[in-house]
Amino acid sequence: NAGVTQTPKFRILKIGQSMTLQCTQDMNHNYMYWYRQDPGMGLKLIYYSVGAGITDKGEVPNGYNVSRSTTEDFPLRLELAAPSQTSVYFCASSFLPGKTNYGYTFGSGTRLTVV
Amino acid sequence: GQQVMQIPQYQHVQEGEDFTTYCNSSTTLSNIQWYKQRPGGHPVFLIQLVKSGEVKKQKRLTFQFGEAKKNSSLHITATQTTDVGTYFCAGESGGSNYKLTFGKGTLLTVNP
Repeated sequence: NAGVTQTPKFRILKIGQSMTLQCTQDMNHNYMYWYRQDPGMGLKLIYYSVGAGITDKGEVPNGYNVSRSTTEDFPLRLELAAPSQTSVYFCASSFLPGKTNYGYTFGSGTRLTVV
Repeated sequence: GQQVMQIPQYQHVQEGEDFTTYCNSSTTLSNIQWYKQRPGGHPVFLIQLVKSGEVKKQKRLTFQFGEAKKNSSLHITATQTTDVGTYFCAGESGGSNYKLTFGKGTLLTVNP
């Protein structure tokens, strides 16, 4: 049982390049989330999904896109990378948020630097 | 939108001292969760509080949910060096479509 797996762990992008951050979970969780974490700023929600084929914007969606074709996978796409997107990105999943005592399971994160 | 404020931002203690972090929401919460993030790591779920006035304990950690369900606290008794990390509260309000709003966290450092 691997939990939530994120790849890559580190990446350096040049301004204007694009990339996809991969996230997969093997817990059969319906709910999945992408957060970004900047120093001293906590976690900000980028996009989330309540099930395959359903996605919605979070607090800071500009410059990102997501898709959810399967229950397991929730990739985050960065188009035209900008220095403001330098951050640590966390993917998380949950079985039934608010109704259980299991909380969110987070991946180990992707540290992205845009230069 | 919903805001979750957490204080203090930093706390440095001597090993054996107690530690408390406080969390306040701008809206009434359906539940509040607490997470711990070790330096360089990812957030790890600690606990969820759902009921008004609820108190839960995990060994040296005590979690409280306020009567109005708008505030919460985490208290650690007799800190140890293994307690080092950032503690986040995260609240969910009714009708939020299962989204958690995180506080900015409290970074705890412990001097041995």
